[in-house]
Amino acid sequence: GESVGLHLPTLSVQEGDNSIINCAYSNSASDYFIWYKQESGKGPQFIIDIRSNMDKRQGQRVTVLLNKTVKHLSLQIAATQPGDSAVYFCAENMGSNYQLIWGAGTKLIIKP
Amino acid sequence: GAVVSQHPSRVICKSGTSVKIECRSLDFQATTMFWYRQFPKKSLMLMATSNEGSKATYEQGVEKDKFLINHASLTLSTLTVTSAHPEDSSFYICSANGLAGSLETQYFGPGTRLLVL
Repeated sequence: GESVGLHLPTLSVQEGDNSIINCAYSNSASDYFIWYKQESGKGPQFIIDIRSNMDKRQGQRVTVLLNKTVKHLSLQIAATQPGDSAVYFCAENMGSNYQLIWGAGTKLIIKP
Repeated sequence: GAVVSQHPSRVICKSGTSVKIECRSLDFQATTMFWYRQFPKKSLMLMATSNEGSKATYEQGVEKDKFLINHASLTLSTLTVTSAHPEDSSFYICSANGLAGSLETQYFGPGTRLLVL
């Protein structure tokens, strides 16, 4: 079952603006989180990850924030571009067999 | 680095036939491979986890005799959908983790679209 994330919402953002995609998780013992991007008809693509001993991590145009107090994860995309249009999934590491618990995903739509 | 391929990318078959899907880690050795199924506008549903040389561990509700998984080497896993029926039509995606990055990070193949007529 899905213990991470919400039912698939859609986020519409103006091109050039910043996007913030949110995700809630339920397993307080999880210690590793990943954001994936999935374009239509393709497999998920790794974007950025974060461990539970951190609360922020930055990549190229992306930042992941982790709030363990409220079990919340967010992905910030700076200066959103048309190529950022996709469904974004958060995933949480579950146990020693490296399985992931997946969120429902958020569809990001870029308005010109 | 961390490239995973799948073959075929798309397959159409008749009901009752079997279909084999290959998943390869191209530039790293995968200690574990995962097979997922994804329905339109839905999240990924884990079907099974396989380690090289071991029997796959199937998720609850996934028929192991229906979805045969072979993980013969550290770079290849196969999923065979046996006696396929129209309800097996779906998007099948594999992933692998290993020494390409942290052991928890899964790298995904491009997916295989299966249509059973």
